[in-house]
Amino acid sequence: SYELTQPPSVSVSPGQTASMTCSGENLGDKYVCWYHQKPGQSPVLVIYQDTKRPSRIPERFSGSNSGNTATLTISGTQAMDEADYYCQVWDSSTVVFGGGTKLTVL
Amino acid sequence: QLQLQESGPGLVKPSETLSLTCSVSGGSIRTSIYYWGWIRQPPGKGLEWIGSIYNSGSTYYNPSLKSRITMSVDTSKNQFSLNLTSVTAADTAIYYCARRLTDIADWGQGTLVTVSS
Repeated sequence: SYELTQPPSVSVSPGQTASMTCSGENLGDKYVCWYHQKPGQSPVLVIYQDTKRPSRIPERFSGSNSGNTATLTISGTQAMDEADYYCQVWDSSTVVFGGGTKLTVL
Repeated sequence: QLQLQESGPGLVKPSETLSLTCSVSGGSIRTSIYYWGWIRQPPGKGLEWIGSIYNSGSTYYNPSLKSRITMSVDTSKNQFSLNLTSVTAADTAIYYCARRLTDIADWGQGTLVTVSS
């Protein structure tokens, strides 16, 4: 079965750029989406089809996907961006989530 | 605006069947081009896809849960449902219903189901 690997945690200072990776075999051949989830809340879609941003999501969120790695980047990170982040793909008729990365804004 | 609401028992005994329903408002399952699905999250852990169903009844299931899952759709009630048999403590989780297989912009608020005697 297909696997997506995410680092358990990433830390960033307010105002700096946060980058989170999602790795999988030939991931660049698939569309990746990203969610953030704050404690006690449902996940929120922040990036879809690798690079697209839903209208409600701030421009500081961006995505890329090439080779075996997809990256979610948050420019000018704010305290409100502290959350768990999950990547997701569709592969072989299954939905696959990464294990999640906890973003801490110090 | 589309809204999804999970309902069902919050406590299920081991070896019994977990049954949940998702009620959809603000949109029609019958005319939707999208699949509808279930995702769960054990306390303090990550997201796990359970399965998805189309308005025709066509399904995709997580291979690791496939032998215990049945999903159904009732377009007259604008609802879809999940049955998970032979539950154990490992099935304790927040269960979310959602629209779409991927790029999921619409989620229910989630319902906690605890498996315990």
